[in-house]
Amino acid sequence: EVQLVQSGGGLVKPGESLRLSCAASGFTFTSYTMNWVRQAPGKGLQWVSSISINSVYIDYTASVKGRFTISRDNAKNSLYLQMNSLRVDDTAVYYCVRASSERGWFDPWGQGTRVTVSS
Amino acid sequence: QSVLTQPPSVSGAPGQRVTISCTGSSSNIGAGYDVHWYQQVPGTPPKLVIYAKNNRPSGVPDRFSGSKSGTSASLAITGLQAEDEADYYCQSYDSGLSGLWVFGGGTKLTVL
Repeated sequence: EVQLVQSGGGLVKPGESLRLSCAASGFTFTSYTMNWVRQAPGKGLQWVSSISINSVYIDYTASVKGRFTISRDNAKNSLYLQMNSLRVDDTAVYYCVRASSERGWFDPWGQGTRVTVSS
Repeated sequence: QSVLTQPPSVSGAPGQRVTISCTGSSSNIGAGYDVHWYQQVPGTPPKLVIYAKNNRPSGVPDRFSGSKSGTSASLAITGLQAEDEADYYCQSYDSGLSGLWVFGGGTKLTVL
């Protein structure tokens, strides 16, 4: 079964850091671009970051550039998101997702992990 | 404000047909990039229902279909069922400054 299992997340204060993890199974992890997508409470979906197969191509949405770092460990079939200098508006459920291709659809999605930034 | 524009809500009675529109621009849908659709029941992750023009993943009923024209796309659901009540999001790739992948703001489908 193709699966993405997430861990990490929690409640932090503004300015603090958090690391999200995503363990992939059931498919060849090294063949896919991976992404993080977030959803603020009561809001829609927002693409956050993308990392190519060999980590050569990495991109971020403007609001997290310089604060978030996406990475992957192909030997461990794992994806990570290091989030520094967290802000209240980073509060959201974060999803790990597999992209079908460089410009393709997202499937499957991880179960989601909640990140709450509050003083 | 989302890069792709969707109506906030649509509704229909069981058995009816509903459509959800998704309007983009020349840097995403109008540039020829495919549009994909996701269904999200509150409290659960989004689920892919239509990908690349009009393809359905295994397990998605053929009551769901997609279309695209110019800078817009639509999701149609026929024979509406109570289980179809959910939020629906469109997604495409963007070659402008909005970010690699863009989503619509979501449409709440209510089955009356």
